[in-house]
Amino acid sequence: EAQVTQNPRYLITVTGKKLTVTCSQNMNHEYMSWYRQDPGLGLRQIYYSMNVEVTDKGDVPEGYKVSRKEKRNFPLILESPSPNQTSLYFCASSLLRVTGELFFGEGSRLTVL
Amino acid sequence: TQLLEQSPQFLSIQEGENLTVYCNSSSVFSSLQWYRQEPGEGPVLLVTVVTGGEVKKLKRLTFQFGDARKDSSLHITAAQPGDTGLYLCAGADDYKLSFGAGTTVTVRA
Repeated sequence: EAQVTQNPRYLITVTGKKLTVTCSQNMNHEYMSWYRQDPGLGLRQIYYSMNVEVTDKGDVPEGYKVSRKEKRNFPLILESPSPNQTSLYFCASSLLRVTGELFFGEGSRLTVL
Repeated sequence: TQLLEQSPQFLSIQEGENLTVYCNSSSVFSSLQWYRQEPGEGPVLLVTVVTGGEVKKLKRLTFQFGDARKDSSLHITAAQPGDTGLYLCAGADDYKLSFGAGTTVTVRA
């Protein structure tokens, strides 16, 4: 089954404790992206990757890092989480960078205390 | 400020009624996508419209792309409880896909 898998689905952490949210897709998509979803603000892009070893900032990259060492994986790293990073995070992949259908994971709800 | 403005923000209707959701922008898009998101899940693509003035129908859902490719609408005929969800529009230009904040639709049985 074609899917995007994120882990963990739920996480409560404290300010400053580094964490990684993993994302894996099995569709051989070159394009992958991370979004955060906040009430009233919709989906805002954090980082995206056009291909292996190619990443770029989205609209709200501050406080986040990503890496793309393999085509299927695109982890999101919060080096020193802060309460304003409490949000619902989605990883997505696409065959085409901009106009293609985005396949989303089920989301990771992060709470930073 | 959202690049794409969706209205209304919330919509609650009775089963069998019709509804329309709007997606407006001052920017021109090469294409526009509509997604539906159910609680606890990621958004799922419903349709992509590409040509100005284009109308696409998926069963009871009708999607329209404005002539100037700046706006779009989603019309649901005879809504059912299964249509409940968050409807998101997303506009594509040369470089990125930008999402609206979404319209939460609740269809009461």
